[in-house]
Amino acid sequence: DAGVIQSPRHEVTEMGQEVTLRCKPISGHNSLFWYRQTMMRGLELLIYFNNNVPIDDSGMPEDRFSAKMPNASFSTLKIQPSEPRDSAVYFCASSRGTAGNNEQFFGPGTRLTVL
Amino acid sequence: EDQVTQSPEALRLQEGESSSLNCSYTVSGLRGLFWYRQDPGKGPEFLFTLYSAGEEKEKERLKATLTKKESFLHITAPKPEDSATYLCAALYGGATNKLIFGTGTLLAVQP
Repeated sequence: DAGVIQSPRHEVTEMGQEVTLRCKPISGHNSLFWYRQTMMRGLELLIYFNNNVPIDDSGMPEDRFSAKMPNASFSTLKIQPSEPRDSAVYFCASSRGTAGNNEQFFGPGTRLTVL
Repeated sequence: EDQVTQSPEALRLQEGESSSLNCSYTVSGLRGLFWYRQDPGKGPEFLFTLYSAGEEKEKERLKATLTKKESFLHITAPKPEDSATYLCAALYGGATNKLIFGTGTLLAVQP
């Protein structure tokens, strides 16, 4: 199994530009999570999906952020327009089942720099 | 406010020098306490889940324990390859599937 796949691994963009981050979860996992990690705030949950349906998006910082999961094998996190304070490492994770006690498998992350 | 706090922020040990990392939590309705290891430039890697006070789990040189207010990650005779950031996370709430993470302890083990 290839694990959780994220792309791109690094993204440098200018303020105001649209950024799209992509994630392919582990096959057979039906829960998907988007996290953001910064030195100041650590790892924060942004949104999670179960069976392709958004369950909790209370961590999405503002309307500039949106996430979709059109099918079981693909999800995107979009930031439009991007701002320098969005610079962080964004992780996607997936897990099996719906119970919260299942292990989450993390991808390698996308390091986003907004100039 | 639901919160997870880890201490110390950073820890430097000599190879073979045992120590413990602390994770204290204040969450409503704890359903599980997770420990992850994160290496530089990589995503967190799962280590343990603890579900009830008094529970212990071991893996090689690591042992995790849980009380009603905190969890400890004990590292026995660490090696340089144990150097990493160790994160703990609390699973809480009702039907939602949410983890709240601490900011981690950066462990450096010197040969």
